[in-house]
Amino acid sequence: SQQGEEDPQALSIQEGENATMNCSYKTSINNLQWYRQNSGRGLVHLILIRSNEREKHSGRLRVTLDTSKKSSSLLITASRAADTASYFCATDAGKVTGGGNKLTFGTGTQLKVEL
Amino acid sequence: GAGVSQSPSNKVTEKGKDVELRCDPISGHTALYWYRQSLGQGLEFLIYFQGNSAPDKSGLPSDRFSAERTGGSVSTLTIQRTQQEDSAVYLCASSRRGVPPAEQFFGPGTRLTVL
Repeated sequence: SQQGEEDPQALSIQEGENATMNCSYKTSINNLQWYRQNSGRGLVHLILIRSNEREKHSGRLRVTLDTSKKSSSLLITASRAADTASYFCATDAGKVTGGGNKLTFGTGTQLKVEL
Repeated sequence: GAGVSQSPSNKVTEKGKDVELRCDPISGHTALYWYRQSLGQGLEFLIYFQGNSAPDKSGLPSDRFSAERTGGSVSTLTIQRTQQEDSAVYLCASSRRGVPPAEQFFGPGTRLTVL
């Protein structure tokens, strides 16, 4: 089963509104990352939050992390049509030999921002 | 600079044939990852290479799947005797090694269709 589960699976909002996506995971992590994917192809890294951080901002993005509840949220403020994409959370449990970051991805939230 | 490139972008093959998928990571990135994404699903980790260390093959779904990375750069994912359930987008990512954890940069993927 997926380590990360996003909620909701699909979200449709009007341009200018805020979009909130949630992610829950099962095991302890070193960090949690959010990625964006357009048209089912390559992913783009958005933001990383470490396990000892509770909130992080990047432009119109705000990420929170609650390790006691094993959950994270991604807030996109003042959404734009160009934000339409799938958003994935990915957890890094840091248990890969060689110092790598084997990420475990959730199933994603499909965001549609309408004009 | 150039991002992660993958080839071919699309591959249609017949059941039972072998296929090779190629990934060119970003120059200087020591870590390379292969993921698989089935339609409407999250990413499934397949294999990870880090420098000259032994690869982490824990995600390979069967012995029909193998991968190699020559000279610490280009990687090839080989699927032997393809099955219809192998149809998916195969994504490659690379990252720097170090602290803090490095983000992963993804290629555009190869869409594999097994008829």
